[in-house]
Amino acid sequence: GESVGLHLPTLSVQEGDNSIINCAYSNSASDYFIWYKQESGKGPQFIIDIRSNMDKRQGQRVTVLLNKTVKHLSLQIAATQPGDSAVYFCAETDSGNTPLVFGKGTRLSVIA
Amino acid sequence: NAGVTQTPKFRVLKTGQSMTLLCAQDMNHEYMYWYRQDPGMGLRLIHYSVGEGTTAKGEVPDGYNVSRLKKQNFLLGLESAAPSQTSVYFCASSQTSNYGYTFGSGTRLTVV
Repeated sequence: GESVGLHLPTLSVQEGDNSIINCAYSNSASDYFIWYKQESGKGPQFIIDIRSNMDKRQGQRVTVLLNKTVKHLSLQIAATQPGDSAVYFCAETDSGNTPLVFGKGTRLSVIA
Repeated sequence: NAGVTQTPKFRVLKTGQSMTLLCAQDMNHEYMYWYRQDPGMGLRLIHYSVGEGTTAKGEVPDGYNVSRLKKQNFLLGLESAAPSQTSVYFCASSQTSNYGYTFGSGTRLTVV
């Protein structure tokens, strides 16, 4: 797992601060979006999803914002903890049988 | 409930050798997917299946074959391995194409 995530954009935040990870998508037909978290040596883990009929959805300590006008998605993590350190991927698909298309990921590094 | 199980977890192959990666899910999901993950490239779709007996090509299908003879299993084959196929392979499953995927823990393959 250590080789995964090389050359990725990196976001470094202080423990306790809020984190914002951004994602741009290009397919105007995409109507379902997901954020995944991947820790070193593990498979991607579902965090939160949102459909295009919404612009905001909240989970436990996480919020996803969707701006369809500029095709932008963001993941906000409140009170970031060391356990949040991982690579975060956004993914999108449309209403057909098209599988998820993943972004290249952002590495979040939490400074204790 | 095991979710998605991938075997083997690690493998080293010589160029030209063949092998099969096995993915098994116990969630009765219709859809199954094989992705590969390379540094800085995110997850790229190799092949997928929308149901038992069906397969379809993804973004990077060349050099791979798949079979979905049973609903719970999705096999990924490499007939003649090449160093360019050195990667981490992830299997995933979902009930529909636009709902959160469940990923396995990955297979790290090295071709020398």
